[in-house]
Amino acid sequence: KAGVTQTPRYLIKTRGQQVTLSCSPISGHRSVSWYQQTPGQGLQFLFEYFSETQRNKGNFPGRFSGRQFSNSRSEMNVSTLELGDSALYLCASSLGLAGYTFGSGTRLTVV
Amino acid sequence: SQELEQSPQSLIVQEGKNLTINCTSSKTLYGLYWYKQKYGEGLIFLMMLQKGGEEKSHEKITAKLDEKKQQSSLHITASQPSHAGIYLCGADPSNDYKLSFGAGTTVTVRA
Repeated sequence: KAGVTQTPRYLIKTRGQQVTLSCSPISGHRSVSWYQQTPGQGLQFLFEYFSETQRNKGNFPGRFSGRQFSNSRSEMNVSTLELGDSALYLCASSLGLAGYTFGSGTRLTVV
Repeated sequence: SQELEQSPQSLIVQEGKNLTINCTSSKTLYGLYWYKQKYGEGLIFLMMLQKGGEEKSHEKITAKLDEKKQQSSLHITASQPSHAGIYLCGADPSNDYKLSFGAGTTVTVRA
């Protein structure tokens, strides 16, 4: 079956712009979570959604937001981009607490 | 929040040799995930351990969970070039859909 699909794979944006990343979970998975990975901070949790509701949120500024649609697909948005937002953004889908399957990630570069 | 410490930070092994990676938690471990990552790519699920004393194996990779020691170990037997990558341990101690990760162990396999 198809895995977790993240688009786009690579993105280059300018400081101050905003960006939207997309994640399509494995069919049947209703939980989608987002993580940011940087060399300095490692993997950090952003937020998790289940049935269009945010159930948990990490310690990130309000510029980072997300949503989930009725088909479980999720998007995350970062407004007013800063250089420090350059990172690999990973999405994971899950069937409850049985395990998390990650996508290939979106590499965001802010210049 | 849970802190996961991995050791070593990196290691180089000769092809055919065994290696062990440790993941130690600052809190009680009720479950633990092991993932592998190629640089800049997504996380590949290896194993999930849910009970103290549990041991799982897949091909040449074995993972154990020692709940009393708040530690998990990942052992690779007869390493091959395909085992090269970054190994990450993760846990969700509060069962609140939020994974915390260790900093990762970079494995290099020399032919």
